[in-house]
Amino acid sequence: DADVTQTPRNRITKTGKRIMLECSQTKGHDRMYWYRQDPGLGLRLIYYSFDVKDINKGEISDGYSVSRQAQAKFSLSLESAIPNQTALYFCATSDPQGREQFFGPGTRLTVL
Amino acid sequence: AQSVSQHNHHVILSEAASLELGCNYSYGGTVNLFWYVQYPGQHLQLLLKYFSGDPLVKGIKGFEAEFIKSKFSFNLRKPSVQWSDTAEYFCAVKGAGAGSYQLTFGKGTKLSVIP
Repeated sequence: DADVTQTPRNRITKTGKRIMLECSQTKGHDRMYWYRQDPGLGLRLIYYSFDVKDINKGEISDGYSVSRQAQAKFSLSLESAIPNQTALYFCATSDPQGREQFFGPGTRLTVL
Repeated sequence: AQSVSQHNHHVILSEAASLELGCNYSYGGTVNLFWYVQYPGQHLQLLLKYFSGDPLVKGIKGFEAEFIKSKFSFNLRKPSVQWSDTAEYFCAVKGAGAGSYQLTFGKGTKLSVIP
């Protein structure tokens, strides 16, 4: 089931490069989220958006920015990538009551 | 601030052994609780969830979890594990109110099942 899709699935880039990760959903949800997963640390929230005009920082937003181009699209940008941003990035959406989150397949990002 | 503690970093079991993974949370109010599973190389999948009602929740693939409010716990159980259960398991908590959005994850428990 591909309700939440992410592109690219894997990306290798160099320090200082700008990179964008994209997320699309067909669930019709207003709420969307970006997380990063690091070994032994679980998932941590980077940014979240409750609708196109409502974007908020999560617990680890430094070095990241986001864009909510439409209800279905939520992009995460690294303006100048650094090696400690090497991680697995997940996009998620949640139902209108915000009770359950649905995750995309993840993007594995490596910054050299 | 809400937090989740998973007691074990890595659990190794033989097939057919019983499983219990511990999860304790900290939150000053009514909660929604979740267990997610991540198979090697795959994305997060919801195993089960608790919103309200019966504190014993049954999920997919024979997993269940029990919410014990007095202990702030939501432990995951399975009576007999299989090799295919090898994965990483994440407990997560969220406030139950409509304005609560933050889903806080534990650091995960890796389960290795030996055939």
